[in-house]
Amino acid sequence: AQSVTQLGSHVSVSEGALVLLRCNYSSSVPPYLFWYVQYPNQGLQLLLKYTSAATLVKGINGFEAEFKKSETSFHLTKPSAHMSDAAEYFCAVSEGETSYDKVIFGPGTSLSVIP
Amino acid sequence: EAGVTQFPSHSVIEKGQTVTLRCDPISGHDNLYWYRRVMGKEIKFLLHFVKESKQDESGMPNNRFLAERTGGTYSTLKVQPAELEDSGVYFCASSKRFGGTGNSPLHFGNGTRLTVT
Repeated sequence: AQSVTQLGSHVSVSEGALVLLRCNYSSSVPPYLFWYVQYPNQGLQLLLKYTSAATLVKGINGFEAEFKKSETSFHLTKPSAHMSDAAEYFCAVSEGETSYDKVIFGPGTSLSVIP
Repeated sequence: EAGVTQFPSHSVIEKGQTVTLRCDPISGHDNLYWYRRVMGKEIKFLLHFVKESKQDESGMPNNRFLAERTGGTYSTLKVQPAELEDSGVYFCASSKRFGGTGNSPLHFGNGTRLTVT
């Protein structure tokens, strides 16, 4: 079965500093990978997705993630944190070779941005 | 286009009572999913509808949970009778189905926060 781990349930960064949120997955087939963000009292919003087209994926709000098969990782980065980036971030993997039929989420990482 | 809407946003009920959660997916989305996040834990898959049919209900915790999607439009998730461990946030998501080439990514509602006391 596929699974996702996220290192660090809570990450704090200073405004303007690099954001790095770690995600590792296990999968027996080439995976579809996602990062979702949840702002307070809102639903999950898709930040970006990896679907085997390119290993470096750019998403919304300046975020990007790199798929590294050898490390089974899909870490999320942003060069310069903004206060508005404070939210909870979820890495996710889909089960199934060609569809997103069943998405498995990691436990989430809460990001705080310090002024 | 209107997003995925869920009702109610919050529900507080006593143990043993019944609660029904509703989800209206984005128009034209054949896939509808229910997920749940218990406090501080992972977001767990509950089940997946394709139109009105249950494609996968492997995540449903027990027979106190009943999900329906009559007519392939909105869906309801009923918990009867509710237990304390059912407390959490219930998310609904929908996506387009592209047949053999896969589906669109999930669009989530804002969730229903259920508290069982």
